[in-house]
Amino acid sequence: GAGVSQTPSNKVTEKGKYVELRCDPISGHTALYWYRQSLGQGPEFLIYFQGTGAADDSGLPNDRFFAVRPEGSVSTLKIQRTERGDSAVYLCASSLEGRSSYNEQFFGPGTRLTVL
Amino acid sequence: EDQVTQSPEALRLQEGESSSLNCSYTVSGLRGLFWYRQDPGKGPEFLFTLYSAGEEKEKERLKATLTKKESFLHITAPKPEDSATYLCAVRIYNQGGKLIFGQGTELSVKP
Repeated sequence: GAGVSQTPSNKVTEKGKYVELRCDPISGHTALYWYRQSLGQGPEFLIYFQGTGAADDSGLPNDRFFAVRPEGSVSTLKIQRTERGDSAVYLCASSLEGRSSYNEQFFGPGTRLTVL
Repeated sequence: EDQVTQSPEALRLQEGESSSLNCSYTVSGLRGLFWYRQDPGKGPEFLFTLYSAGEEKEKERLKATLTKKESFLHITAPKPEDSATYLCAVRIYNQGGKLIFGQGTELSVKP
């Protein structure tokens, strides 16, 4: 079956602009996660959805970052007033659900965001 | 503070030269330890989950082990196609589904 997909694969924007990054999870997965990965580092947690609700948004760096998952499937990560420091690869992952201990997360290919 | 540290940062091996990667963790309550493989320009690919000290899992040339303070990823007779960055992550009790990752070990296997 299809894995996690993310669009666009690459996004170049100018400082101060607004961007939206999309994630399509594996069909049937109720939990969805966003991570951010800088060069040479491991992924850093941003936000986790269980169904439609954000169960944990403690990793969002500031109020310029926002994410939604209105129907419990596709999610959009929104970044307002982008800054050069936002440049990174944004990874999405999904799992069957998020509460149990048996919770393998499967990752998409990522969106590489470059803020000029 | 919950922390995951991987060593070495980079490892170069000759084909067939076995070695181990280390993942040390300091967490309040381990709910699971995960190993992922990441190829350049791609997302992490799930390899193993370990839940309790003493547990071991194997897949082809890879074997993951877990103690109360660290995990090892043993690579036996590696091949060039095993070249990748290997990431370790932990899940912690009372912190939901999020994973805390180490910085990764970049493995290069030369023929």
